[in-house]
Amino acid sequence: SQTIHQWPATLVQPVGSPLSLECTVEGTSNPNLYWYRQAAGRGLQLLFYSVGIGQISSEVPQNLSASRPQDRQFILSSKKLLLSDSGFYLCAGERNTEAFFGQGTRLTVV
Amino acid sequence: GDSVTQMEGPVTLSEEAFLTINCTYTATGYPSLFWYVQYPGEGLQLLLKATKADDKGSNKGFEATYRKETTSFHLEKGSVQVSDSAVYFCALRRGFGNEKLTFGTGTRLTIIP
Repeated sequence: SQTIHQWPATLVQPVGSPLSLECTVEGTSNPNLYWYRQAAGRGLQLLFYSVGIGQISSEVPQNLSASRPQDRQFILSSKKLLLSDSGFYLCAGERNTEAFFGQGTRLTVV
Repeated sequence: GDSVTQMEGPVTLSEEAFLTINCTYTATGYPSLFWYVQYPGEGLQLLLKATKADDKGSNKGFEATYRKETTSFHLEKGSVQVSDSAVYFCALRRGFGNEKLTFGTGTRLTIIP
């Protein structure tokens, strides 16, 4: 079955520090991959999606970037974190119209 | 652009009550429609889906019918249980070159015994 591995589960980072969240996929090849931010009362905000290696579409201009160096790897990054980057980040994959999600990363910027 | 509008939560019902969570969408063409569920402490998982107009998706006693004329995909269940307490997300995906999966804001459902 298709699974998403996302780590770390929680992260506390100081303002101005870099960020790298990694997500890997097992059980399928050539999935669409997504990064979402989930905020209380605001649902799932799509940040980035990718239909293939090196192909990234950004939905929201912000302090974050994404990369897909391999078919089953999707990375969310920032060079300098802001307080407003705090939140819950979810990686998702999709194959044959069914999406599957990682467990998420709770990021707190202090 | 594509968008999904869900009824505002939270929704609180008694066990065995009838549930409706409204979902309407805006998209060109013929998107596929989904309901995802997030149980407490868990990740999102697919509940049901419909890929064309008039299709009915069903799972675990939940149903939703793809209504193109009203651009809706309302989630229903005839008799809810405490274990149905979760956050429910309506979503759409347009195929054929537009791959992104767009979610609604989610509706928190609490079932009281």
